[in-house]
Amino acid sequence: AQSVTQLDSQVPVFEEAPVELRCNYSSSVSVYLFWYVQYPNQGLQLLLKYLSGSTLVKGINGFEAEFNKSQTSFHLRKPSVHISDTAEYFCAVIFNDYKLSFGAGTTVTVRA
Amino acid sequence: DVKVTQSSRYLVKRTGEKVFLECVQDMDHENMFWYRQDPGLGLRLIYFSYDVKMKEKGDIPEGYSVSREKKERFSLILESASTNQTSMYLCASSLPVLEQYFGPGTRLTVT
Repeated sequence: AQSVTQLDSQVPVFEEAPVELRCNYSSSVSVYLFWYVQYPNQGLQLLLKYLSGSTLVKGINGFEAEFNKSQTSFHLRKPSVHISDTAEYFCAVIFNDYKLSFGAGTTVTVRA
Repeated sequence: DVKVTQSSRYLVKRTGEKVFLECVQDMDHENMFWYRQDPGLGLRLIYFSYDVKMKEKGDIPEGYSVSREKKERFSLILESASTNQTSMYLCASSLPVLEQYFGPGTRLTVT
C-alpha cells in the first residue's frame, strides 16, 4: 500500500534555530510531492511543491525541501525559525492519480 | 488568488440531524475534495469529484454523501449525524494532478 510517513509528531525548537521535518513515502513510481502548513484554526496553505526538475525546492516563508528519489524522502527545512512558524506541517504525495495522500502531521512549536 | 470558501466555520448539531456542509471555489477547478481532519490521523479523504455530477468514494465514505450540481459547488451531507462525526471538515479544489487549495474548514460538533 502507498503511504506517507512523517517521522516526528512534535518538534519543539528555539527561535532562530534551524528545523528539519522528515517525510518518507512508499512508492516505486513517479510522484508529486507537497508540503502544507496549517496555522491554528485555519485551512491548509501550500508551502512548496515538487513536480519535476531540480530536487531542491524553495517555498514561501524561507522554507525549502529536498527530494531524494533513492531514499523516497522529501524533508522540509528552514535555517532560522520565528515564533510565527508555530503551526502544524503536513507532507502530501500524489502517487498515481490526482488524490493527495497525507502524512499524520508534525506540530512545530517555536519557543523564545 | 484561488479562493475556496466553506459555509460555516463552526457548527453544532444534534445526533440524528441531517447536516449540509457547503463548499464553493472561484477558480473553475475540475476537481473538488472533502476531507476530515482528526488529531494524529492527518487528513482523510471522504469523497471527491472530478466533474459536475461525478463523484468517487475516498478512504472513509461511510456515513457521508456528496452532491455536485454545479462546477463551483461541492456539498457534503451527513444523512444522520453521529457523535463520531465530530471533526474538522476541510474542502479543497484543484486542477487535475496539481496542488490542492483548501478552504478554512468547518469544525463540526455533534452532541
